[in-house]
This record gives sequence, C-alpha cells and structure tokens, in this order.
Amino acid sequence: GAGVSQSPSNKVTEKGKDVELRCDPISGHTALYWYRQRLGQGLEFLIYFQGNSAPDKSGLPSDRFSAERTGESVSTLTIQRTQQEDSAVYLCASSLGTSGRAYEQYFGPGTRLTVT
Amino acid sequence: AQTVTQSQPEMSVQEAETVTLSCTYDTSESDYYLFWYKQPPSRQMILVIRQEAYKQQNATENRFSVNFQKAAKSFSLKISDSQLGDAAMYFCAYRRYSGGYQKVTFGTGTKLQVIP
Repeated sequence: GAGVSQSPSNKVTEKGKDVELRCDPISGHTALYWYRQRLGQGLEFLIYFQGNSAPDKSGLPSDRFSAERTGESVSTLTIQRTQQEDSAVYLCASSLGTSGRAYEQYFGPGTRLTVT
Repeated sequence: AQTVTQSQPEMSVQEAETVTLSCTYDTSESDYYLFWYKQPPSRQMILVIRQEAYKQQNATENRFSVNFQKAAKSFSLKISDSQLGDAAMYFCAYRRYSGGYQKVTFGTGTKLQVIP
C-alpha cells in the first residue's frame, strides 16, 4: 500500500515568510510524528499526534512553530516568520498505534526547507 | 533523560566485507527498545533491526545483526557481505518500553560508504 508522503519535496523561502509543510500518513495509522533533521545531525522530535490531538508538543522550538492534524489524516506543520536556522529536512512518520509492535514508525521522504 | 551516542561520524567498508557500527546509550530504565535505522540519499528512514532489552538473544535480519550488551549499554550493528546499496546514514535509536506513547531518541548518525 501507499507509504507516508510529504509535500513539497523541497521548499526555498525568504527569511520572514511563512511556510506550510504537509504530511499524509499511512491510512489507518492513528499516531503521527514530526521531526527536524539539521544538516549532519540526528532527528529532533517536534510533535506527536494521536488522532487529531497533540499530547506531546514538547519538541516545538518556539511559538513560530505550530502543527495541526485533521482527524487521523493529513497533518500540516507551519513555520511563521522563518529564520535561517529553520533550514533543515522536516520528516514525518506515522504508526498504527503506540502499544506493542504497533509503535513502529514509518517515515516519509521529508521536506527540505531552505531559508535564504 | 535518555541519550544515544554514535561516536563514528563516518565509516567505510569494501564491498563484500563486514563492518560494525557502534552505538552507546544512557538510561536508568530496565525495559526499552533499541533500533537501527537506515537513511539512504532518498532521505526516507527505514527500520533495519530492533532489539527488545528483555531479550538476551541478539536480533538478526539477514545480513544485519546486533551485538547487544545491556550492562555496558552498548548496541552495535554488524553488516555482513556489504553491498553498494548499504551505503547510507545509519541511526541508532532508543525508546522506553511502555504500554503507550514514548518518545524515540535518535543518535547523530554514522555515514557508511561502501567501496566497490
């Protein structure tokens, strides 16, 4: 079946502009995660959704970052007033659930954001 | 807080040879999961192998195997008969064992080059 998809694949924006990144999880996956990956670094957790609620937003770096999810479907990550330090690959993952083997996360290909 | 350390930023291996990637972690928990993920240039993270901490037997998946040393908090990945398609970034990750949601903590990655 279809995997996790993300759009756009690449996004170049000017400093100060707002951007929206989209994630379409695997159908039926109730849990959704956003991560940030800076060049040469590991994955930083941003936010976790269970359905359309976000029990864990602890990784959002500032109030310029927000995310929402429609039901158990698409999620958007919004970055307002982008800064150069926001340049990174933003990865989305989904999982069937969070218990037992259902926690296994399936990742999308990411969106590479470049802020000029 | 849990931390995951990968001390080898880059490794190289000749095709058909064996290579071992190192990972250490710090936790006060006794039950947890450990993972190795592969990230090829396509950016899509792929789960290579998982290990449950309560299992003494080392996990294996075809050419991939781990050496899990719980007392030493060490979790290395061995790739046998290396192939060109194994060239990628490899991330070690930790997840606390729980019946519900737990954050996954990633290391900074090891870039593996496979030499023909």
